[in-house]
Amino acid sequence: GDSVTQMEGPVTLSEEAFLTINCTYTATGYPSLFWYVQYPGEGLQLLLKATKADDKGSNKGFEATYRKETTSFHLEKGSVQVSDSAVYFCALSDILGKGGKLIFGQGTELSVKP
Amino acid sequence: EAGVAQSPRYKIIEKRQSVAFWCNPISGHATLYWYQQILGQGPKLLIQFQNNGVVDDSQLPKDRFSAERLKGVDSTLKIQPAKLEDSAVYLCASSYDRRNEQFFGPGTRLTVL
Repeated sequence: GDSVTQMEGPVTLSEEAFLTINCTYTATGYPSLFWYVQYPGEGLQLLLKATKADDKGSNKGFEATYRKETTSFHLEKGSVQVSDSAVYFCALSDILGKGGKLIFGQGTELSVKP
Repeated sequence: EAGVAQSPRYKIIEKRQSVAFWCNPISGHATLYWYQQILGQGPKLLIQFQNNGVVDDSQLPKDRFSAERLKGVDSTLKIQPAKLEDSAVYLCASSYDRRNEQFFGPGTRLTVL
């Protein structure tokens, strides 16, 4: 079945460092890809999404490009802040084939130190 | 616009007891989802409703879990009897329809002792 694999955490960076969180997926259809973020004590929030190959999603300085050839959707940010400390989840949804449910990776915890 | 509401926020029970969680989706959202998030893992779909009909309950342990969405608005998820491995955060999400963005509630953290 469809699945998502993320790099394991926790990831600890200094403020202003470059961030990459790797995400690869397996899907039989044509999924949409998402990054969700969960800040401490808060619910899941959509960070960005891409609906087809070569699309780039971006929000709050974060970017991810849908790479069908490598089945990847890596999250990047050029300069992280302490406020970016959170758990990041990569997810896919095969809206047309499977009704819209999200399949999540296991999450990557990011800790940014001042 | 009010977000997805869930209650209670926390619940502690002993194994073999029963428990129920409540979710009120965003007004006008036809699709409602219940996810289970075990510590250290990503959320996993338990059940998906479209209005008051079930779209997907393939991963719902039906011997102990049940869910309903009467009148296509609020939803209740029940566990009876609970097991230790049911300790998790139960997330409710809603979307305008299944093709649209899902909005998540704050979750209910269940601890089974």
